[in-house]
Amino acid sequence: DTGVSQNPRHKITKRGQNVTFRCDPISEHNRLYWYRQTLGQGPEFLTYFQNEAQLEKSRLLSDRFSAERPKGSFSTLEIQRTEQGDSAMYLCASSPGELFFGEGSRLTVL
Amino acid sequence: GEDVEQSLFLSVREGDSSVINCTYTDSSSTYLYWYKQEPGAGLQLLTYIFSNMDMKQDQRLTVLLNKKDKHLSLRIADTQTGDSAIYFCAESGESDSWGKLQFGAGTQVVVTP
Repeated sequence: DTGVSQNPRHKITKRGQNVTFRCDPISEHNRLYWYRQTLGQGPEFLTYFQNEAQLEKSRLLSDRFSAERPKGSFSTLEIQRTEQGDSAMYLCASSPGELFFGEGSRLTVL
Repeated sequence: GEDVEQSLFLSVREGDSSVINCTYTDSSSTYLYWYKQEPGAGLQLLTYIFSNMDMKQDQRLTVLLNKKDKHLSLRIADTQTGDSAIYFCAESGESDSWGKLQFGAGTQVVVTP
């Protein structure tokens, strides 16, 4: 499978726990994006990387969120001290131009 | 701030044409997109239009853009049951932020036999 891969596909956690999502982009795509989608809404931009550099962060990305792309390939999105409002689908996309989206990682915070 | 709005629901009979409408507020939008999302699947880019165009046709899909009214529509000809999905309109701004999209809330299209 040469598409964008996200893991885990579904994560259930208790409030206050930390969670980490991983995104493996299509190889050689230099841009990688994270979006968040809540039920009944369209995706909202969180942040993006050009190679290993994080070039922009949305105001939605509070201090509890951190994203990395250490070698310019895969990326991780960590949420610390999760809150129920963090429950959402976290989408990753990679791009040489057009965005190619993964199937998402669904987070449920109890 | 920027806003993209769509109607929430559309029901259409198989074989008829579907028209999904979208309005946006950002006059600096460079590209406008239509994405399809099926249950449990990621977003799939259906088509896009550059802001200096007013129409684009791609097989069963026709995109119309009225830049003056900031209105975008997607017409699906001969709608099939496989077209049942949520359709998102999205826009992006200047070339250095073309991957940073502003999405609408999506239109759920239900195709009935």
